[in-house]
Amino acid sequence: DTAVSQTPKYLVTQMGNDKSIKCEQNLGHDTMYWYKQDSKKFLKIMFSYNNKELIINETVPNRFSPKSPDKAHLNLHINSLELGDSAVYFCASSQGQSTSGNTIYFGEGSWLTVV
Amino acid sequence: KQEVTQIPAALSVPEGENLVLNCSFTDSAIYNLQWFRQDPGKGLTSLLLIQSSQREQTSGRLNASLDKSSGRSTLYIAASQPGDSATYLCAAKPYSGGYQKVTFGTGTKLQVIP
Repeated sequence: DTAVSQTPKYLVTQMGNDKSIKCEQNLGHDTMYWYKQDSKKFLKIMFSYNNKELIINETVPNRFSPKSPDKAHLNLHINSLELGDSAVYFCASSQGQSTSGNTIYFGEGSWLTVV
Repeated sequence: KQEVTQIPAALSVPEGENLVLNCSFTDSAIYNLQWFRQDPGKGLTSLLLIQSSQREQTSGRLNASLDKSSGRSTLYIAASQPGDSATYLCAAKPYSGGYQKVTFGTGTKLQVIP
């Protein structure tokens, strides 16, 4: 019973395609995130979603769109994929945002390769 | 803008050795500092979280310290084992903005040789 699960784990697709990565958490958390880890292992926030409030990192292209059907799911849809989108995408969740002691739980990542 | 640096980028030690991983951050106005472990093909697992009012946290063979004034945190691993081989990342969380404002370091890849 994985706490944060994301699918698919590996995805190879051609430039220009549209793809989605799904994420589900069974921890009862109210906040979910998408992070991108590039080839240099640099981890950057893309989106967070808390109680129907979507917070977008302004540097993320609008080809990326998160969708949250409910508190337990936050999916990532990517339109018109580009070579530079190749990276590992991590979903994560936490309870609350700024309260002390609450840690963040990560999924195992989705390896996206655009060819 | 917060910048988090981890040096060295990679470290190789023989089994049984005690070691220290370093994390430096430029903005000392942090809410907490957290250390994570990332295994190949896996996500990040939280190891230790130090609140800004604390100086250190311990869990088993791991000890993390925080010196906000100097902008430094260290992760001490005692009696290293091959199973400790992984990439270790530190993350600085600001007072406001939650985890969407956390800044991660680029990590130290540790290899413990049997």
